[in-house]
Amino acid sequence: QSVLTQPPSASGTPGQRVTISCSGSNSNIGSNTVNWYQQLPGTAPKLLIYNNNQRPSGVPDRFSGSKSGTSASLAISGLQSEDEADYYCAAWDDRLNGLWVFGGGTKLTVL
Amino acid sequence: EVQLVESGGGLVRPGGSLRLSCAASGFTFDDYAMHWVRQVPGKGLEWVSGISWNGGRIAYADSVKARFTVSRDNARNSLYLQISSLRPEDTAFYYCAKSWGGVNYFFDHWGQGTLVTVSS
Repeated sequence: QSVLTQPPSASGTPGQRVTISCSGSNSNIGSNTVNWYQQLPGTAPKLLIYNNNQRPSGVPDRFSGSKSGTSASLAISGLQSEDEADYYCAAWDDRLNGLWVFGGGTKLTVL
Repeated sequence: EVQLVESGGGLVRPGGSLRLSCAASGFTFDDYAMHWVRQVPGKGLEWVSGISWNGGRIAYADSVKARFTVSRDNARNSLYLQISSLRPEDTAFYYCAKSWGGVNYFFDHWGQGTLVTVSS
């Protein structure tokens, strides 16, 4: 059971816009920024969005992130076949001495 | 170019021990915190441990506390994870990840992972 809650799956057709949600609590998303990672099949995770809505160099502007209260969302517009991957949200959690928590991941299928 | 290369994985019996290593290059290693994240094949990501630039701040997931020990050697640009009292549920890919800053900053680069299999 992951601390952050994501839907296990999402899907869309090429060109569509899809969103993936991530729900947490006051100790993690409510107090800290949210980051998103993309994991293509058979590869290591890669940073996709940091500090709620910032894109690293090289990430297309089709990817965007937002945060409100204890929830966050990743939006992908103009969906492409190469976007088919697993997506994870993550946030620092202030409980105990502090720890990182991840969502369970969302498998995105491009139909 | 940032490179993180893990090694040390393999097959180990329940109750056994293993030391994972992560060789870093392409950045000033002792400026950044580092982390270990694991992934059971076919499952999600689980943060395991993080260590600050000088080892002064260390954090562990509850699931591995007292069994895993993270360390670093800044002179060798290397990160380590000593894992002991291994259980079948520790079977996973173990990724080394670089923090953007301190322990509570996001992971901006990841290695390719090393597979640890715990089985009799």
